[in-house]
Amino acid sequence: DVVMTQTPPSLSVAIGQSVSISCKSSQSLVASDKNTHLNWLLQSPGRSPKRLIYHVSKLGSGVPGRFSGTGSEKDFTLKISRVEAEDLGIYYCLQGTHLPRTFGGGTKLELK
Amino acid sequence: EVQVLESGGGLVQPGNSLKLSCATSGFTFSTAWMYWYRQFPEKRLEWVARIKAKSNNYTTDYTESVKGRFTISRDDSKSSIYLQMNKLREEDTAIYYCASAYYYSGALFDYWGQGVMVTVSS
Repeated sequence: DVVMTQTPPSLSVAIGQSVSISCKSSQSLVASDKNTHLNWLLQSPGRSPKRLIYHVSKLGSGVPGRFSGTGSEKDFTLKISRVEAEDLGIYYCLQGTHLPRTFGGGTKLELK
Repeated sequence: EVQVLESGGGLVQPGNSLKLSCATSGFTFSTAWMYWYRQFPEKRLEWVARIKAKSNNYTTDYTESVKGRFTISRDDSKSSIYLQMNKLREEDTAIYYCASAYYYSGALFDYWGQGVMVTVSS
């Protein structure tokens, strides 16, 4: 199985601060269809996960532009510019290139 | 508005069965690939199963730990999917989420339901 190593496990931030979360995969995530199936999801407190980004850098419908995703092959980053209160929760990366689909361990974003 | 609504969870004894349902609306269900995921009490997320669309022959895939015990199915006429869970184990205790994935106007949409709790305990 592809192992997704996500760091840091937690982040303490102030509103308005920018943060980055890293996700590294044990195998290349470039698929046979030439897409890289790397997703970022946010689980707000008491809610189900919501996908923010797919194919490394494409924003989902309605996702604010302060979220951005970069990376390639095995090394990926989610950046949140100017964190807002509604951004707090647990962030997960998810690879969909290889079966089984696998998640990172999560990064909990909390208020400082 | 897209809606994804799971049902059928509950408390069940080890070795017994349970069937989860997921009703959807607001998108072209017949072209969507549908998924079941689960989240364990410690917040770890795991993909459980996938069923592709009719155009992909309704191909199904499973994570190794549920193969031979769980069955994913879909009814396009009802815009619904199901997860038949047999021979349940205590380690299957989790919140189970249904999720859809489909392309529309060149973009990939992805929606998760609110989840349903499954507790396997004697």
